[in-house]
Amino acid sequence: DQQVKQNSPSLSVQEGRISILNCDYTNSMFDYFLWYKKYPAEGPTFLISISSIKDKNEDGRFTVFLNKSAKHLSLHIVPSQPGDSAVYFCAASVGSSNTGKLIFGQGTTLQVKP
Amino acid sequence: DTAVSQTPKYLVTQMGNDKSIKCEQNLGHDTMYWYKQDSKKFLKIMFSYNNKELIINETVPNRFSPKSPDKAHLNLHINSLELGDSAVYFCASSQVRNEQYFGPGTRLTVT
Repeated sequence: DQQVKQNSPSLSVQEGRISILNCDYTNSMFDYFLWYKKYPAEGPTFLISISSIKDKNEDGRFTVFLNKSAKHLSLHIVPSQPGDSAVYFCAASVGSSNTGKLIFGQGTTLQVKP
Repeated sequence: DTAVSQTPKYLVTQMGNDKSIKCEQNLGHDTMYWYKQDSKKFLKIMFSYNNKELIINETVPNRFSPKSPDKAHLNLHINSLELGDSAVYFCASSQVRNEQYFGPGTRLTVT
């Protein structure tokens, strides 16, 4: 049972435009969400996170939006740069647990064309 | 000054063998994890240790045994390797509950 889903395996955008990566979840107990970025042959690196008490979190060119009623979150990258080309993973966790267990989506490959 | 390091980076071995993957973090974190990324690219947690104590043990075959000699190290030992164990294994660590820092991964190929 896949609790976190990224339904778009890939996305291609032009440099300078906006990239929007989407993520859906099924478990209403999730209360903390994260985005990770992964380059080939490297481990995932933390990008940005959002708590369920917020609906938006911004960090430079990266903004994450959370729609709890729709169980949907998205990552916006503006403006997109060729160096943003990577696999992006959405992850979620349950707040009451202090184990740090993250449930990951299957990733979306972003290609930013110069 | 790598934060989370894993050795080896690549591991090719035959079915039935026993192998270990080592992980070390120099971030001073209390919690360490092992994840498996399978051929479909799903990242799934296997184990988590907090201050050398096992706190997460997902449905993983008994052939997989984590060992934490101290809070900076979490090694993964795999007995009687099977073809289905072929995957990329990632170690991670965290202090703040959810922001985990990952190692570069170990690509295990079982032939």
